[in-house]
Amino acid sequence: GENVEQHPSTLSVQEGDSAVIKCTYSDSASNYFPWYKQELGKGPQLIIDIRSNVGEKKDQRIAVTLNKTAKHFSLHITETQPEDSAVYFCAASPPTSGTYKYIFGTGTRLKVLA
Amino acid sequence: DAGVTQSPTHLIKTRGQHVTLRCSPISGHKSVSWYQQVLGQGPQFIFQYYEKEERGRGNFPDRFSARQFPNYSSELNVNALLLGDSALYLCASSLRGGYGYTFGSGTRLTVV
Repeated sequence: GENVEQHPSTLSVQEGDSAVIKCTYSDSASNYFPWYKQELGKGPQLIIDIRSNVGEKKDQRIAVTLNKTAKHFSLHITETQPEDSAVYFCAASPPTSGTYKYIFGTGTRLKVLA
Repeated sequence: DAGVTQSPTHLIKTRGQHVTLRCSPISGHKSVSWYQQVLGQGPQFIFQYYEKEERGRGNFPDRFSARQFPNYSSELNVNALLLGDSALYLCASSLRGGYGYTFGSGTRLTVV
């Protein structure tokens, strides 16, 4: 069935270092890949997304890469700051006859140490 | 602009009871989706509605139902509550569906 694996489950980095979170999806027809940041007590917040016809997308300190052949996509955060500490979720959206649903990974708890 | 608003924010119910959760999408957004997020896991898709029609349903029992109103707000109903229904229920909206869903802060449901 449809599945998204996410690694690592926890990640601690020193302030100013880079953080990388990796995801693998199972449905090769998936065509949209959003990343969400969830802070304690809040709903997920969209931070960046990429469509299947693009290999890489960057927005200031955040970038996402997509390898369709390997069914991998990754989130890269550079120059991490304490406010980047949160749980990050990747998701894949498989096209299912008019239904737009996201299959989420299990999340990565990122801790940025000052 | 107001984001996606959900009510109530917290709720405690007893096993076997019924619950109704409410969601108001961002103004102009016509698609609403519901997700269940169990503690420590990623959100799981329950329903998607677009233009008041159900467009998709996740792997949830018939005790879960939803609807979308003419003003595009939505309700999620859960009957015969089980302890396992305890979770954060998230509503998300988008202009048409598919890309860039914006999530609300959720309703934390505790079943005792």
